[in-house]
Amino acid sequence: GAGVSQSPSNKVTEKGKDVELRCDPISGHTALYWYRQSLGQGLEFLIYFQGNSAPDKSGLPSDRFSAERTGGSVSTLTIQRTQQEDSAVYLCASSVRGGTRFYNEQFFGPGTRLTVL
Amino acid sequence: AQSVTQLGSHVSVSEGALVLLRCNYSSSVPPYLFWYVQYPNQGLQLLLKYTSAATLVKGINGFEAEFKKSETSFHLTKPSAHMSDAAEYFCAVSVNSGYALNFGKGTSLLVTP
Repeated sequence: GAGVSQSPSNKVTEKGKDVELRCDPISGHTALYWYRQSLGQGLEFLIYFQGNSAPDKSGLPSDRFSAERTGGSVSTLTIQRTQQEDSAVYLCASSVRGGTRFYNEQFFGPGTRLTVL
Repeated sequence: AQSVTQLGSHVSVSEGALVLLRCNYSSSVPPYLFWYVQYPNQGLQLLLKYTSAATLVKGINGFEAEFKKSETSFHLTKPSAHMSDAAEYFCAVSVNSGYALNFGKGTSLLVTP
């Protein structure tokens, strides 16, 4: 079946512009996660969705970052007024469900490589 | 808070040699531990996971890991390295809030002929 997909695969933008990154999780997966992978910081958790709500936003680095999920499916990560330090690969993952003691495997998408000039 | 530490950012082995990638965890509660692999320009793929069942966990591509509570370790091993094993390997632990993953810094495995 189809895996997690992300678009665009690459995004180059100018400092100060807004960008939107999209994630399509595996059909039927209720939990969705955003991570960021950068050379300096490694892999960092950003935000977790269960259905359309985000019970854990603790990893969002600043108020320039926001995310939403609609219909329990597609999620969009928005970065406003991008800065050069936002350059990274943004990874999305989904699992059957989250927030339980019985771990559900997270399946990762290929990522979006964001470059801020 | 749960965290993992991967010892060695780069590991080089000869083809056919033993692969040993080290991971130590810190957790105040019984952890869920994972190893992921990332091939160049690709996403993360789960190799194996420990969820408090058997302490020796077998994964894909001949990899296995052993959970040792006394040593707070979850090292990844493979008896015989193959050229195709060259990749970045990440150890991760699930955190309480949202059960998101907390990753180590990663270990880059180089396999030489």
